[in-house]
Amino acid sequence: DTAVSQTPKYLVTQMGNDKSIKCEQNLGHDTMYWYKQDSKKFLKIMFSYNNKELIINETVPNRFSPKSPDKAHLNLHINSLELGDSAVYFCASSLTSGRAYEQFFGPGTRLTVL
Amino acid sequence: DAKTTQPTSMDCAEGRAANLPCNHSTISGNEYVYWYRQIHSQGPQYIIHGLKNNETNEMASLIITEDRKSSTLILPHATLRDTAVYYCIVRVDQGAQKLVFGQGTRLTINP
Repeated sequence: DTAVSQTPKYLVTQMGNDKSIKCEQNLGHDTMYWYKQDSKKFLKIMFSYNNKELIINETVPNRFSPKSPDKAHLNLHINSLELGDSAVYFCASSLTSGRAYEQFFGPGTRLTVL
Repeated sequence: DAKTTQPTSMDCAEGRAANLPCNHSTISGNEYVYWYRQIHSQGPQYIIHGLKNNETNEMASLIITEDRKSSTLILPHATLRDTAVYYCIVRVDQGAQKLVFGQGTRLTINP
């Protein structure tokens, strides 16, 4: 069973378009994250939601808008895509207490902006 | 969160122990040492974490020096599937917290 899933796995689009990436976890976790891994392979936190509330926003351009309809889902919508948005985006989830030390990552979505 | 320093790359023969060092000289008393790894084209995977005592689980062992300024991740019998980038991360253990990844160590296991 997939623990953290993301769709799509690959996304190729033109500059200026709007796109969404979906993430779902079936682990019963209450916190979800979005990380971005750029071409130099650096992984950086973008957002974190706890029980559908935004708790971390790491100075990400407001073209990026996360939405959490429920605890099991955290989607990422990107407006007016730019070349620099090309990266691999990873969704992750964890608990807030107990085994909060372990974050589970999805397989990633490779976004290419042309 | 305290900064960590790791070698950029390491090699290890299959079947041997892989010892990955990490320096975290500015670690605070309430900060834990975490290790994650990222196998090519996959999401990062939690390996182990500890505060000051040595820890062991089914994947690896973590040795933390007495002054807590450095640590070593040990993969006791490395296999080809252990080829990955290994990240040493230092942070407090309070609820859900972001992970701050450095450059990590690219470990290559050779047959």
